[in-house]
Amino acid sequence: NAGVTQTPKFQVLKTGQSMTLQCAQDMNHNSMYWYRQDPGMGLRLIYYSASEGTTDKGEVPNGYNVSRLNKREFSLRLESAAPSQTSVYFCASRYKDKEAFFGQGTRLTVV
Amino acid sequence: AQRVTQPEKLLSVFKGAPVELKCNYSYSGSPELFWYVQYSRQRLQLLLRHISRESIKGFTADLNKGETSFHLKKPFAQEEDSAMYYCALSGGTSYDKVIFGPGTSLSVIP
Repeated sequence: NAGVTQTPKFQVLKTGQSMTLQCAQDMNHNSMYWYRQDPGMGLRLIYYSASEGTTDKGEVPNGYNVSRLNKREFSLRLESAAPSQTSVYFCASRYKDKEAFFGQGTRLTVV
Repeated sequence: AQRVTQPEKLLSVFKGAPVELKCNYSYSGSPELFWYVQYSRQRLQLLLRHISRESIKGFTADLNKGETSFHLKKPFAQEEDSAMYYCALSGGTSYDKVIFGPGTSLSVIP
C-alpha cells in the first residue's frame, strides 16, 4: 500500500521556469490538499480539492494552479517560478473527516 | 476565519519532565482538532484527534471550547518525543479544509 506518492522529491528551477508537482493516492480518498512548509510558518494550505472535479483556494494560492485529474491524482503547477516559492511542498489526502495522510514531500529550490 | 496559533516555536524539556505544547484556535462553529507529529526524516503523521479522546504514546489533549484551546500534554517526556508538533483544525466535514498552526519543535534533553 503506497499511500500518498509525490514526484519529484527534489527540484531546482530557475526564476521564470514552470513545473508541475505530481501527487497520487491509492486509498480512495475524496479530499486532497497541497501545502507548503516554511521555517517558522508551519504548513500553509495552497489549494485543496474536496472531491473529484472541485478545487478551492487555501491560505496562499497566489502563483499556483491545481488540477484534480481524477480521484487519485492532484497536481500543483507553478507557471512562473519565483524565489519566494522555494519551499518544501506536501500533498495530503483524507477520507471524509478522518485523519490526513501525507506524502514524503518535494523540496523545491528556485534560483 | 479559521486560524491556529502555537505560541512556542521551540520547547526544550528534560527527560522525565512534564511537557505541554500549547494550541489555540479561532473558528466560528464546531471544529475538529488534531495533533500531527513529524519525526526527523519521516512523514507528517497523526498523533491524536480530540474526538477520539484517546492517549497515544502517553500524550493527551483536551478540547476547551471556552478558552478555544487544545493543548497537548505528556506527564513524562522521553527522548523519542523530540519532533516537530503541529496543531490542526478542520470544520468537521469532508468539504472543509484542514488548517495547520506554525508548529512547535520539541527537544527532550537526556
